[in-house]
Amino acid sequence: EAQVTQNPRYLITVTGKKLTVTCSQNMNHEYMSWYRQDPGLGLRQIYYSMNVEVTDKGDVPEGYKVSRKEKRNFPLILESPSPNQTSLYFCASSLVGGLNQPQHFGDGTRLSIL
Amino acid sequence: AQKVTQAQTEISVVEKEDVTLDCVYETRDTTYYLFWYKQPPSGELVFLIRRNSFDEQNEISGRYSWNFQKSTSSFNFTITASQVVDSAVYFCALKGGGYQKVTFGTGTKLQVIP
Repeated sequence: EAQVTQNPRYLITVTGKKLTVTCSQNMNHEYMSWYRQDPGLGLRQIYYSMNVEVTDKGDVPEGYKVSRKEKRNFPLILESPSPNQTSLYFCASSLVGGLNQPQHFGDGTRLSIL
Repeated sequence: AQKVTQAQTEISVVEKEDVTLDCVYETRDTTYYLFWYKQPPSGELVFLIRRNSFDEQNEISGRYSWNFQKSTSSFNFTITASQVVDSAVYFCALKGGGYQKVTFGTGTKLQVIP
């Protein structure tokens, strides 16, 4: 089954404790992206990646890191999480060809930073 | 910078009524792509439609229709004869042709009352 898998689905942690949210897709998509969803703000793009070793900032990259060492994986790293990073996070992937491919989204990861 | 505005935060309709969700966008790109996604109460993001900037033909899919007007920079979404299952948050999104950044609107929450 074609899917984007995020782990964990839920996480409660404390300020300053490094964490990683994993994202994996099995569709051989070149493009992958991370978003955060906050009430009243919609989805905002954090980082995106066009392909292996190619990443770029979205609109809200501060406090986050990403890496793309393999095509299927695109982990989101919070080196020193803070309460303002409490949010619902989505990973997405798509084909690059034509630039108009719709994104396939994971089920979301709800992070609470205390 | 690109921008997507969904001015309607919440809409309530009675079942079987028609409803239109507005989406207004801003971009300097001559080539760009527009999308609508649905987020039901269960939380997943579901792709509904994509439109290229060079294709202004309107589209109908069952009870759903989309009206794309470049002259007013709008990409509105109409649900005909709404049903309770249409209750969800709907997001409009824009991807510029020269970039891989994706910008979402803040979403419109639609409640269909039986």
